[in-house]
Amino acid sequence: QSVLTQPPSASGTPGQRFSISCSGSSSNIGVNTVNWYQHLPGTAPRLLIYSNNQRPSGVPGRFSGSKSGTSASLAISGLQSEDEADYYCATWDASLNGQVFGGGTKLTVL
Amino acid sequence: EVRLVESGGGLVQPGRSLRLSCTASGFAFGEYVMGWVRQAPGKGLEWVGSIRSYGHDGATEDAASVKGRFTVSRDDSKSIAFLQMNSLKMEDTAVYYCVRVRSDSIHYYYYMDVWGIGTTVTVSS
Repeated sequence: QSVLTQPPSASGTPGQRFSISCSGSSSNIGVNTVNWYQHLPGTAPRLLIYSNNQRPSGVPGRFSGSKSGTSASLAISGLQSEDEADYYCATWDASLNGQVFGGGTKLTVL
Repeated sequence: EVRLVESGGGLVQPGRSLRLSCTASGFAFGEYVMGWVRQAPGKGLEWVGSIRSYGHDGATEDAASVKGRFTVSRDDSKSIAFLQMNSLKMEDTAVYYCVRVRSDSIHYYYYMDVWGIGTTVTVSS
């Protein structure tokens, strides 16, 4: 059971605006910033969003992040077939004194 | 080019030890926190631990699941990070990724901005 809760799977169609939720608590998302990672099987995971809503250079502008209270979300505007991947939220948990990940959301682009 | 390359994975029996290495290039290794993340077969990502730069205090932090068994260390002269894994269990079977970490001292922000391609560790008799 992951400390951060994400839906295990989701699907969307090309061009659609899509979002993935990540729910935590007052000891993690409530006090620290949230990051999102994209992972295609067989490849290295990739940082997609850091510090709630910052995009590293090279990440397309259609990816965005937000945080409110103890929840966060990743939004993808204009879904593309190459966005089919696993997405993970992560943050530091002050009670566990460690980095925690969500269970991951497998996104399928129909 | 910023790059991390893991090595040292393989098949090991339960209870034995293994040391993973992560060779870094393309950045000032000694200035960064370095860490490890793993992914067991069919499971999600799991943080293993990290080590701060010696310019701060070189302190290590570990996940509860590996505390007392795994140790993260570094050799800044060679730009290498290590993960020493002792008393291995079958549930330690995973792909282990080396990561470069950006973090402040209170972990308000803590994220992995560079990842290696991973090395596979299989614990089985």
